Amino acid sequence: NAGVMQNPRHLVRRRGQEARLRCSPMKGHSHVYWYRQLPEEGLKFMVYLQKENIIDESGMPKERFSAEFPKEGPSILRIQQVVRGDSAAYFCASSPPGGSWTEAFFGQGTRLTVV
Amino acid sequence: AQRVTQPEKLLSVFKGAPVELKCNYSYSGSPELFWYVQYSRQRLQLLLRHISRESIKGFTADLNKGETSFHLKKPFAQEEDSAMYYCALSGRQNFNKFYFGSGTKLNVKP
Repeated sequence: NAGVMQNPRHLVRRRGQEARLRCSPMKGHSHVYWYRQLPEEGLKFMVYLQKENIIDESGMPKERFSAEFPKEGPSILRIQQVVRGDSAAYFCASSPPGGSWTEAFFGQGTRLTVV
Repeated sequence: AQRVTQPEKLLSVFKGAPVELKCNYSYSGSPELFWYVQYSRQRLQLLLRHISRESIKGFTADLNKGETSFHLKKPFAQEEDSAMYYCALSGRQNFNKFYFGSGTKLNVKP
């Protein structure tokens, strides 16, 4: 089991472009969480998804950000028309069905830089 | 409002010295408190949680509801303890949403 895999590890985008961040959960995990870490700040919850469902997106900015976790394939965090303030590390975590949060495992993160 | 505060960005100690990483929180309900660790170039991993009352790698943490603190302690630091440490909080009714502190970098010098 390779663990939670995030790609790319580093992503550079110009202002106005789109950024797509991918997260493949651990085998057998059906719950995915996305967190953002701005420079000099702690991790902030963005969205919690189960297969094909968004359970809690209360931490997602209202515009330009979206997330999905399709039946097949990785979870995608999509940022449209990126701005400099989107530069951050984005972490994904996954947990098994029925498990509490403390069973979640983190990926190594994607560092997004907007130039 | 829910908040986790880690007042120290960097903590440097010598090998064998005691270490205490501070964590204070604010939460309106009954919180669950956790410590996560991130070693260099590795992913975040759970270190310990207060409900387990466990000691992991010699680290312990006691939840002090009166002082709203959950400080992480180890009596004798080792070089391999050097890492980023994050204190986190979650509500018992909301296990899917964590509030993280900004992290403390622990540097254990030989």
